[in-house]
Amino acid sequence: DIKMTQSPSSMYASLGERVTITCKASQDINSYLSWFQQKPGKSPKTLIYRANRLVDGVPSRFSGSGSGQDYSLTISSLEYEDMGIYYCLQYDEFPPTFGGGTKLEIK
Amino acid sequence: QIQLVQSGPELKKPGETVKISCKASGYTFTNYGMNWVKQAPGKGLKWMGWINTYTGEPTYADDFKGRFAFSLETSASTAYLQINNLKNEDMATYFCAREASFAYWGQGTLVTVSA
Repeated sequence: DIKMTQSPSSMYASLGERVTITCKASQDINSYLSWFQQKPGKSPKTLIYRANRLVDGVPSRFSGSGSGQDYSLTISSLEYEDMGIYYCLQYDEFPPTFGGGTKLEIK
Repeated sequence: QIQLVQSGPELKKPGETVKISCKASGYTFTNYGMNWVKQAPGKGLKWMGWINTYTGEPTYADDFKGRFAFSLETSASTAYLQINNLKNEDMATYFCAREASFAYWGQGTLVTVSA
């Protein structure tokens, strides 16, 4: 199975700050990577698919980049509503595998 | 709009069976497979498997072979997850999510297992 190593596992950031979360796959996943945001008691919300394609309705401050094994999610200017846990997922190869999550809190 | 609506929370005893539904709307059900994902309390997301909604063929992740069963009611655009012989470690929220990029998710179904 492809292992997805997500970092950091938790972080504090200030409002307006640029935030980057990374995911490293144990092998090339050909950009078949999605990013999700989850708030307490809610289902994951898809932000990015195919590494860099923004889902309709997701604010443009979110962006995804990367290729090969290395991917990142960037929030250009952190807003209060961005608190939550972020997960990456590779769906290039069976079985699909999630990263361990990044808990983002406001400083 | 595309929606996946899951059945409500369940309270079960160890050894019982639970069946969770996931009703899809806003798209052709048989065009996209359905994934199932487990989230234990305070933990991350774990893929359980998926079902091909066109053929009905299920595929289970290694940790979910045996007591778990995926099924369909295609006429109702509904996928089901059944867990037999419930154990304490099955206590979790279960999500359905449309394949392949998991673009759409159900709201989750909390299964509580308690004697």
